Amino acid sequence: NAGVTQTPKFQVLKTGQSMTLQCAQDMNHNSMYWYRQDPGMGLRLIYYSASEGTTDKGEVPNGYNVSRLNKREFSLRLESAAPSQTSVYFCASSERGNYGYTFGSGTRLTVV
Amino acid sequence: GENVEQHPSTLSVQEGDSAVIKCTYSDSASNYFPWYKQELGKRPQLIIDIRSNVGEKKDQRIAVTLNKTAKHFSLHITETQPEDSAVYFCAATLRSNDYKLSFGAGTTVTVRA
Repeated sequence: NAGVTQTPKFQVLKTGQSMTLQCAQDMNHNSMYWYRQDPGMGLRLIYYSASEGTTDKGEVPNGYNVSRLNKREFSLRLESAAPSQTSVYFCASSERGNYGYTFGSGTRLTVV
Repeated sequence: GENVEQHPSTLSVQEGDSAVIKCTYSDSASNYFPWYKQELGKRPQLIIDIRSNVGEKKDQRIAVTLNKTAKHFSLHITETQPEDSAVYFCAATLRSNDYKLSFGAGTTVTVRA
């Protein structure tokens, strides 16, 4: 039982490059989330998926897109990376919104 | 995090002393309040949570209290140990945020030996 698995763990991009962060959970959770974590700012929600087939914007969606591929997988795409997107990205899942979230191990992204 | 304020931002305590972190929220309809611990370079992990129909919950050395009238909740760590050093985040489900979790900015706790 792996929980929430994120890949890659580290990535360096040049400004303007694109990439997709992958996330998969094996807990049969309905809801999945993408957060970014920056020093002193806590965890800010980028996008979420309340259930398979639905996605919605969070607090900071600009510059990102998501795909809920199936119940297990929720990917985050940066179409044209910018230095402001340098951050640690966490995927999380939960049974539903008002239940405890399980986080993945994070992706440390640097855009130069 | 939207409308969840957390204080203090840093906290240094002597080993064996208690640590208290406080959070306030704005939405009276909030109904779930978890606390997460994040060690350096690791993922946030749920350590304790409380629902709006309960005033206090304990788990060994940690406890959470909720005051719905004042819209604040607190994490209490007793008999602190070096392994309690970490960043702690409070969170709350806000009706205004479709009952998703909104996080506080975090408290860095350092336990001095």
